[in-house]
Amino acid sequence: QTVVTQEPSLTVSPGGTVTLTCASSTGAVTSGYFPSWFQQKPGHAPRALIYSTSNKHSWTPARFSGSLLGGKAALTLSGVQPEDEAEYYCLLYYGGAQPWVFGGGTKLTVL
Amino acid sequence: EVQLVESGGGVIQPGGSLRLSCAASGFTFDDYAMHWVRQAPGKGLEWVSLISGDGGSTYYADSVKGRFTISRDNSKNSLYLQMNSLRTEDTALYYCAKDLLRGGWDYWGQGTLVTVSS
Repeated sequence: QTVVTQEPSLTVSPGGTVTLTCASSTGAVTSGYFPSWFQQKPGHAPRALIYSTSNKHSWTPARFSGSLLGGKAALTLSGVQPEDEAEYYCLLYYGGAQPWVFGGGTKLTVL
Repeated sequence: EVQLVESGGGVIQPGGSLRLSCAASGFTFDDYAMHWVRQAPGKGLEWVSLISGDGGSTYYADSVKGRFTISRDNSKNSLYLQMNSLRTEDTALYYCAKDLLRGGWDYWGQGTLVTVSS
């Protein structure tokens, strides 16, 4: 069974920079996994931030960026704002009978 | 404006059945694959099922295979999830989400809550 692993929690100061990562149990994450990132605040539906590694949606704030880093997918927040406190989920594409797998999520605290 | 509105959730006994619906608007529905995703209380997101734009291809997570059936009616701009043989572990908020066709997803609905309990 494929497992996608994220940091359970991270803390960042307002105005700081933080990088969240997303690893696959099958090996290095490449662009072929079409890494996506979603933000979810308590009581709300997830909101898409990044697709296909580094592409932003029209509503994605400029301070969010996606990349590949050391065999993982990465989401970097630069100039963190208090409203960025949320749960962040990555999603990877594996194809086959069960094509999509979510990571377990990273709870980001802005403190 | 793209909108996805789920409905059909409720409280059901183990072994029962429920049909969820997702009404879509603001885009050409049959151009896009659609997903169901669920989130158990206090837990993370779990991909459940995917259907292609024409409905000809469907995919399921192992946890629901053989019990859930995804379908769509493109004439009604609607997505469905038929859930049979429900278990307590199926208790979750169920979301529908739109595929992007460029290796990602974009829009999500607000979810409908399914509670499986005796």
